[in-house]
Amino acid sequence: AQTVTQSQPEMSVQEAETVTLSCTYDTSESDYYLFWYKQPPSRQMILVIRQEAYKQQNATENRFSVNFQKAAKSFSLKISDSQLGDAAMYFCAYRLWGSNYKLTFGKGTLLTVNP
Amino acid sequence: DAGVIQSPRHEVTEMGQEVTLRCKPISGHDYLFWYRQTMMRGLELLIYFNNNVPIDDSGMPEDRFSAKMPNASFSTLKIQPSEPRDSAVYFCASRQRPTGPDTQYFGPGTRLTVL
Repeated sequence: AQTVTQSQPEMSVQEAETVTLSCTYDTSESDYYLFWYKQPPSRQMILVIRQEAYKQQNATENRFSVNFQKAAKSFSLKISDSQLGDAAMYFCAYRLWGSNYKLTFGKGTLLTVNP
Repeated sequence: DAGVIQSPRHEVTEMGQEVTLRCKPISGHDYLFWYRQTMMRGLELLIYFNNNVPIDDSGMPEDRFSAKMPNASFSTLKIQPSEPRDSAVYFCASRQRPTGPDTQYFGPGTRLTVL
């Protein structure tokens, strides 16, 4: 079974600084997708960024980028120029390639942004 | 688009009572997912539907839980009888057909408290 591990229950960063959230996963498959979701206090889950395992290039979305290391099964999220609105719980998630759309989530990392 | 709509937003009930959670997916989305979020277990997929048909219900904890999708715009998750350990936030999410973006759109969640 696939598992997703986020080893940092909490992280903090100063406004305008950069922070990296860690995620590792365990799978025997070679084709899959990885995601980072953000959950602000409103509780709604919001997709931040996604990565296809077959792509070597790391995904980027504005201030958000990932460092995808397939061999190491690592998928970290970097937030540059952190803003107060980035404060939230961040979840790493995995989905096997193909027609089963089941997402497996990590336990989450609570990010605090200090002014 | 109004996004995924869930009701109620909060539900408080007593042990043994029946609880029904409701979800309206985004129009045009063919997939609907029910998740449960707790501090102990994180975010877990309970069941998901494709074109109103249940595809994977392996996450449904026990027979007390049931989910239905009578049409493309409505789904229910029922717990009967409810127990205190069912207290959690329940999310509904939807996504487009396979040719669309591989993104699940989450609703705001229903916070269930079973006394």
